[in-house]
Amino acid sequence: GDSVTQMEGPVTLSEEAFLTINCTYTATGYPSLFWYVQYPGEGLQLLLKATKADDKGSNKGFEATYRKETTSFHLEKGSVQVSDSAVYFCALRGDYKLSFGAGTTVTVRA
Amino acid sequence: SQTIHQWPATLVQPVGSPLSLECTVEGTSNPNLYWYRQAAGRGLQLLFYSVGIGQISSEVPQNLSASRPQDRQFILSSKKLLLSDSGFYLCAWDVSGRIGTGELFFGEGSRLTVL
Repeated sequence: GDSVTQMEGPVTLSEEAFLTINCTYTATGYPSLFWYVQYPGEGLQLLLKATKADDKGSNKGFEATYRKETTSFHLEKGSVQVSDSAVYFCALRGDYKLSFGAGTTVTVRA
Repeated sequence: SQTIHQWPATLVQPVGSPLSLECTVEGTSNPNLYWYRQAAGRGLQLLFYSVGIGQISSEVPQNLSASRPQDRQFILSSKKLLLSDSGFYLCAWDVSGRIGTGELFFGEGSRLTVL
């Protein structure tokens, strides 16, 4: 079945550092790929998405490119802020079900 | 615009007690509805989904059940809670007829602690 594997944290960074969270997937067909973010005590919010190969999703300075050849959807941000501290989930959707990775906790220190 | 609400936000229950978590979506008709659980330090697991009133599909066997008595209402229940039922429960919805392509929209979550 479909599955998502993402880099497990926790990840601790200083403000203005570069952030990368690796995400790879296994799926049949051509799934849509997503990154969700969960701030402390809150539900999940969609951060960005890509629906086909080579699409780049971007939002709030974050980017991720749908790489079919490497089955990857790595999340990147060039300069993180303290407000980016959260749990980040990579997710895949091939049919009715949105399958999530385990989540990566990111802490940004001032 | 569409909104989704869950309640209660926080719940502490003894082992063996019943459970009822409620989720309501506003601003859309005939949404697909989902219940996910996030256990401590783990990812999200799909528990139930529903494509219409009275239609419930279960993803994993457990002592939880779900019901959809109205178009935009989704309820998660248990007759007798277990310690392992503790976690953060998230309700979500998406647009009917677009299964497989779009994102899910999540509620604020309900944190359940079973003691």
